Amino acid sequence: EVQLLESGGGLVQPGGSLRLSCAASGFTFSSYTMTWVRQSPGKGLEWVSVIGGSDGRTYYSGSVKGRFTISRDNSKNTLYLQMNSLRAEDTAIYYCAKDDDSGGFYYGFDYWGQGTLVTVSS
Amino acid sequence: QSVLTQPPSASGAPGQSITISCSGSGSNIGNNYVYWYQQVPGTAPKLLISRTHQRPSGVPDRFSASKSGTSASLTISGLRSGDEADYYCAGWDDSLPDPLYVFGTGTKVIVL
Repeated sequence: EVQLLESGGGLVQPGGSLRLSCAASGFTFSSYTMTWVRQSPGKGLEWVSVIGGSDGRTYYSGSVKGRFTISRDNSKNTLYLQMNSLRAEDTAIYYCAKDDDSGGFYYGFDYWGQGTLVTVSS
Repeated sequence: QSVLTQPPSASGAPGQSITISCSGSGSNIGNNYVYWYQQVPGTAPKLLISRTHQRPSGVPDRFSASKSGTSASLTISGLRSGDEADYYCAGWDDSLPDPLYVFGTGTKVIVL
């Protein structure tokens, strides 16, 4: 059974940093592109970043580029999101998600974690 | 700001059919797969339609989807109270300098 479990969320002051983790199990983690998606309170879904399974290629949304860094440790089956220079508008539930195909990029997400809440406030 | 536009809401009585539209452009819907996600408030999104019109295992055949040019649509037939949720279209956008994954604005489905 595929499972994705996010952790690391919490309350942080503007300008601060936080690192989210997503522990994966039930599939060959290194074979799949993984993604972070966020959802601000009462708002829609917003794609944040993606990382390739084996080549580690990364892409970011314009709203986080230069502030957030996605990474993965295939030996630990874990996905990360390092978030720096946090702003109030980064307040959201952050979900990790698994690609629905092992063929690289340009697919969607068939499994999602339960999400972890990040609140940026003074 | 989302590049995929959906109606804010759609409604129908139990048993009826409704269709949700998703309008994009040549760099996203026109050139890539379309995905649809269902999100019951307070829960994580769930994949409803993969690769434009494929239903993942476990998704009832009451849900169907299609694409034409730069627009896509999701049809829910035999509407049930359990279908009340937010629905999002999504897909890759061949933006420069890097591709982006984009979600639609979301449609709230209300079963009357």
